[in-house]
Amino acid sequence: DTAVSQTPKYLVTQMGNDKSIKCEQNLGHDTMYWYKQDSKKFLKIMFSYNNKELIINETVPNRFSPKSPDKAHLNLHINSLELGDSAVYFCASRDLERGYTFGSGTRLTVV
Amino acid sequence: GESVGLHLPTLSVQEGDNSIINCAYSNSASDYFIWYKQESGKGPQFIIDIRSNMDKRQGQRVTVLLNKTVKHLSLQIAATQPGDSAVYFCAENMKAAGNKLTFGGGTRVLVKP
Repeated sequence: DTAVSQTPKYLVTQMGNDKSIKCEQNLGHDTMYWYKQDSKKFLKIMFSYNNKELIINETVPNRFSPKSPDKAHLNLHINSLELGDSAVYFCASRDLERGYTFGSGTRLTVV
Repeated sequence: GESVGLHLPTLSVQEGDNSIINCAYSNSASDYFIWYKQESGKGPQFIIDIRSNMDKRQGQRVTVLLNKTVKHLSLQIAATQPGDSAVYFCAENMKAAGNKLTFGGGTRVLVKP
């Protein structure tokens, strides 16, 4: 009964590959987010979707493409992976009353 | 406010003492502020929040203070316990920017037994 679940938890891949990270929330929230956490623990927003519509798109390389098939899912596809993409990626969802709930993260390592 | 990738500051505190974690935020238009706790291998976990029209809010063992004049936020943890060891982040929310949540750089708290 995990509120925000991400898969996979760990992802090791070679440079140049294309990979996807999936996120699902069962909280009924309308808004979902992707955040990137670098090696110094700095968390930065990447994207936000509200009910399948893109709301926030920070300065992220266009190799990153979010997809929201429905309001409970927000997936992140990354093309042509680079070493600098190595980080922990967090999905989150938001409720107007209770605020943000984060997933447990996907640690991406590009080798 | 936003970090520029600085080394993560660390606060060492004796078990049972009070902890104070400080944060400077960047945008005076932010409508509310949140403190998060992140334990190793986990996502940020909500601790307490405060609306921009308030200057103090208390929870269980935690108090958040907001000083809008100097754009400063602090988190006080009373009687710090070993389970409080984690990285703490402040975050500011901007409703006008599509509810964009911007995180500060984080502070690592180490509780010594």
